[in-house]
Amino acid sequence: ETGVTQSPTHLIKTRGQQVTLRCSSQSGHNTVSWYQQALGQGPQFIFQYYREEENGRGNFPPRFSGLQFPNYSSELNVNALELDDSALYLCASSPQGARSYGYTFGSGTRLTVV
Amino acid sequence: QQQVKQSPQSLIVQKGGIPIINCAYENTAFDYFPWYQQFPGKGPALLIAIRPDVSEKKEGRFTISFNKSAKQFSLHIMDSQPGDSATYFCAASRGQTGANNLFFGTGTRLTVIP
Repeated sequence: ETGVTQSPTHLIKTRGQQVTLRCSSQSGHNTVSWYQQALGQGPQFIFQYYREEENGRGNFPPRFSGLQFPNYSSELNVNALELDDSALYLCASSPQGARSYGYTFGSGTRLTVV
Repeated sequence: QQQVKQSPQSLIVQKGGIPIINCAYENTAFDYFPWYQQFPGKGPALLIAIRPDVSEKKEGRFTISFNKSAKQFSLHIMDSQPGDSATYFCAASRGQTGANNLFFGTGTRLTVIP
């Protein structure tokens, strides 16, 4: 059984650019959540996808968007990057839709915006 | 607004000591309280979790104490080892509706000295 896989592991972008981060969920998990972890802080919930639809969203602007694919993998897209978007982006998958607390986190993508 | 407050920010103990990390919350709708362990360059990993209908839960050397009336919970690590050196996050989640996303504390960096 594989865990949650995220790509790329590191990324450097320029302010104003767009970025796409990818996540493959753990086998058997059909729900994917994305979190942003700023340096020295706890993860902050961005949004969750279940059955290819957004199932909840945190306090993040619309330039943060996502997708979930039929194989349950997911993408996080961020448009018009700002310096404050520099953070570790974590993907977490869980089984059984929104009624499960069994989150498994990936190792994250470290995004640096310059 | 930080929904889960965590202290201390950092903690140094000798091997064999019992570090205690404390968390407090305000939202009485929270019904699931996990603790995560995060090593540098890795995503958070679930350590132990508790629901508010019990006051204590033990798994190996890790114990959660829960005080529902005070809206506080804490993690105790018995016989701490250098390998326990990591950042620990408490979190809370509410109900089985919506995204049941996790609200994380700000983290405690634990160092166990050999």
